[in-house]
Amino acid sequence: DAGVTQSPTHLIKTRGQQVTLRCSPISGHKSVSWYQQVLGQGPQFIFQYYEKEERGRGNFPDRFSARQFPNYSSELNVNALLLGDSALYLCASSVDNLSYEQYFGPGTRLTVT
Amino acid sequence: GQNIDQPTEMTATEGAIVQINCTYQTSGFNGLFWYQQHAGEAPTFLSYNVLDGLEEKGRFSSFLSRSKGYSYLLLKELQMKDSASYLCALEGYQKVTFGTGTKLQVIP
Repeated sequence: DAGVTQSPTHLIKTRGQQVTLRCSPISGHKSVSWYQQVLGQGPQFIFQYYEKEERGRGNFPDRFSARQFPNYSSELNVNALLLGDSALYLCASSVDNLSYEQYFGPGTRLTVT
Repeated sequence: GQNIDQPTEMTATEGAIVQINCTYQTSGFNGLFWYQQHAGEAPTFLSYNVLDGLEEKGRFSSFLSRSKGYSYLLLKELQMKDSASYLCALEGYQKVTFGTGTKLQVIP
């Protein structure tokens, strides 16, 4: 079975631009969470989506938004990129929003110049 | 809010036992995770503790004491491949809060 997949693997953007990151959960998983991981730090929670609805939000500005599609895949959008947005963006899927076991994808490495 | 503290780095010898501690302050949580993350890779799930006590899973064991705000991950019979970062995280209020992680280096 395929694990969590994310695209693209790497991305380079300029300050002020917008970016869309994509995530496909494990088949049968209905919950997707997004995390930002800056080098040398632990992942920081951004959003959780379950059944296409936002179920949790971390302390990130409104420049960050996300959505989940009927097939449970998800997109993370970041507007007006800042240098500090450079990080590894991780997607994790779980069976539902009550399941504690999350499976992480390989991540998207975003570099903002 | 939640605050999680872990040692930044640890070094241990191949074949030995190492204990990685995690202390936390929180107004409440459902459970505590431990994840392993090799450099450049995504975190992988190791354990999830809800109740106080020790849970053993092969070479890895995890302990939780809610009253003391304390957890540890115990790695036995260390192998070189265990060199990685180990992340402690609290799950609750529909989000997961990670610590900064402990980078473990296993030496021959």
